[in-house]
Amino acid sequence: GAVVSQHPSRVICKSGTSVKIECRSLDFQATTMFWYRQFPKQSLMLMATSNEGSKATYEQGVEKDKFLINHASLTLSTLTVTSAHPEDSSFYICSAGRPDYGYTFGSGTRLTVV
Amino acid sequence: AQSVTQLDSQVPVFEEAPVELRCNYSSSVSVYLFWYVQYPNQGLQLLLKYLSGSTLVKGINGFEAEFNKSQTSFHLRKPSVHISDTAEYFCAVSIIQGAQKLVFGQGTRLTINP
Repeated sequence: GAVVSQHPSRVICKSGTSVKIECRSLDFQATTMFWYRQFPKQSLMLMATSNEGSKATYEQGVEKDKFLINHASLTLSTLTVTSAHPEDSSFYICSAGRPDYGYTFGSGTRLTVV
Repeated sequence: AQSVTQLDSQVPVFEEAPVELRCNYSSSVSVYLFWYVQYPNQGLQLLLKYLSGSTLVKGINGFEAEFNKSQTSFHLRKPSVHISDTAEYFCAVSIIQGAQKLVFGQGTRLTINP
């Protein structure tokens, strides 16, 4: 079945630094990937849709300069949290696939900004 | 825009008892419907999906769901639960055409008691 690999699983960074999270589709090509953010005991909030070879589409209220998305190939999308602050601490999850196949999710990245 | 409402935030059940997790959706166009399970600090795993055809959908781990168009519902059921079913369950919807992003419900915490 479709596999999505997300790396790293956990990262701790200092306030003001940037962090890059990778999302790879291992056995299929993904022209579209999705990035979600999840707060403790809450649902997933869609942040942006990553489109291969073009700009990402951000959801309302998501700062595109804070959360940089790059989808340079059909198997890799990256999310960079720039100038991270403690309020950016969260669980970030990516997904890829097609609705008729069922979307596949990465295992998530726990970001802690200290 | 489409939306999903999960009517119960928490459902406690005794082991080997049946369970139903409720999900209602709203959309002006045709949709695909999904149920996902999330274990602590992990990504989401697809339980089952409804695309078209038979309204009763069977998924993994003994779960099934029934699509009811007139009631705009997609409730998840299992006839006999196990301790290992303790997890967070999310109902999600995706429109069939256009921006095929997933919109999630708030989640239901299923707790199985011995």
